[in-house]
Amino acid sequence: QVQLVESGGGVVQPGGSLRLSCAASGFTFSAYPMHWVRQAPGKGLEWVALFSYDGTVQDCADSVRGRFTISRDTAKNTFYLQMNSLRADDTAIYYCARAFDWLLPYFDYWGQGTLVTVSS
Amino acid sequence: QSALTQPASVSGSPGQSITISCTGTSSDVGGYDYVSWYQQYPGKAPKLILYAVTKRPSGVSIRFSGSKSGNTASLTISGLQAEDEADYYCCSYAGSSSLFGGGTKLTVL
Repeated sequence: QVQLVESGGGVVQPGGSLRLSCAASGFTFSAYPMHWVRQAPGKGLEWVALFSYDGTVQDCADSVRGRFTISRDTAKNTFYLQMNSLRADDTAIYYCARAFDWLLPYFDYWGQGTLVTVSS
Repeated sequence: QSALTQPASVSGSPGQSITISCTGTSSDVGGYDYVSWYQQYPGKAPKLILYAVTKRPSGVSIRFSGSKSGNTASLTISGLQAEDEADYYCCSYAGSSSLFGGGTKLTVL
């Protein structure tokens, strides 16, 4: 069955960096677009980043562009979110999600999320 | 890019129908028929309940339906049940990026 397992969250100081991982199993990893979505404590969902199935499209939300980068390792079936210059408003649960249609926001499987706390 | 606009809360009694609106602009909701809806219980990951405005994934109840008019998409839940009490989010394609709504808390009275 499809599984997505995030890891790498934790507490980091403002200005610091973290790399989140999303380990995928149960499907052909390179055949699906993958996204990161975050949710600040008690708040709504916010789309963060996209990596298309063929890697030709990689995009981030304006709020993180220039600070966050996405990548994947198809040999490890793992999707990454490198987060630099972290700010307090980046504090959130970060979910990886599989999409099933090109660049469209149809997320059919989600991980359990990993909590990132940016605090001094 | 601003979040799509949803009512903060809606409520209804068991058996009734409710509708949650999701308003955007011509650059997102109004420009494409690429709207999805998610149900989220506290402490859980979201679950896809509608995509392409009106389509239901396999296993989602037919009580969930969607529509769109202009810049506003809507989710209707008919025959409300206690288990429908959750947060609901719309999401729209916005040209290589995606936009979520602010979320709506549904209370079943």
